[in-house]
Amino acid sequence: EIVMTQSPASLSVSPGERATLSCRASQSVSSNLAWFQQKPGQAPRLLIHGASTRATGIPARFSGSGSGTEFTLTISSLQSEDFAVYYCHQYNSWPPGTFGQGTKVEIK
Amino acid sequence: EVQLVESGGVVVHPGGSLRLSCAASGFTFHDYTMHWFRQAPGKGLEWLCLITHDGRATFYLDSVKARFSISRDNTKNSLYLQMNSLRTEDTGLYYCAKEKSRVIDYWGQGTLVTVSS
Repeated sequence: EIVMTQSPASLSVSPGERATLSCRASQSVSSNLAWFQQKPGQAPRLLIHGASTRATGIPARFSGSGSGTEFTLTISSLQSEDFAVYYCHQYNSWPPGTFGQGTKVEIK
Repeated sequence: EVQLVESGGVVVHPGGSLRLSCAASGFTFHDYTMHWFRQAPGKGLEWLCLITHDGRATFYLDSVKARFSISRDNTKNSLYLQMNSLRTEDTGLYYCAKEKSRVIDYWGQGTLVTVSS
């Protein structure tokens, strides 16, 4: 099973600042990597797929990069609605794919 | 607009059974593979099972394979999860989700299953 490790576990950021979240795979997943956002009491929402392609309706301040085993989600200027938990998900090994444990982005 | 609405979550005793439903709308249901996921309280996301667009193939997480069964009715745009021999560790929020080319692109809001004596 491919293990996905996200870092940091939590991140305190001021509104307007940049947030950088990392996700590492235990073996190569090519570009088959997605990022999800989950707010309290809500379902996950797809942000990025194919490591760098924004999903429909996702603002340009969200960007993804990386391939192979190292991936990054960058939120260029945090808005109040961006404080949430973010999960990476590899779907190279499918089914079922595997999730990272999540990074919680909190208000500083 | 894609909508997935789960239902059927309740409080159930250990060893009990439950059937969850997911009503889909806003897309051509019979064209897509569908999944069930769950999230234990305060924990991350866990994949449970999937069913192909035509219902001919299913895949399960090993720990639920003998107890859970996924099915679908394409005439009713509905997905189901039959859960038997429930355990306390099955407690959580259960989500149905739509897949497009291996990407999970839409999720429902979830239905809460509590297994407790």
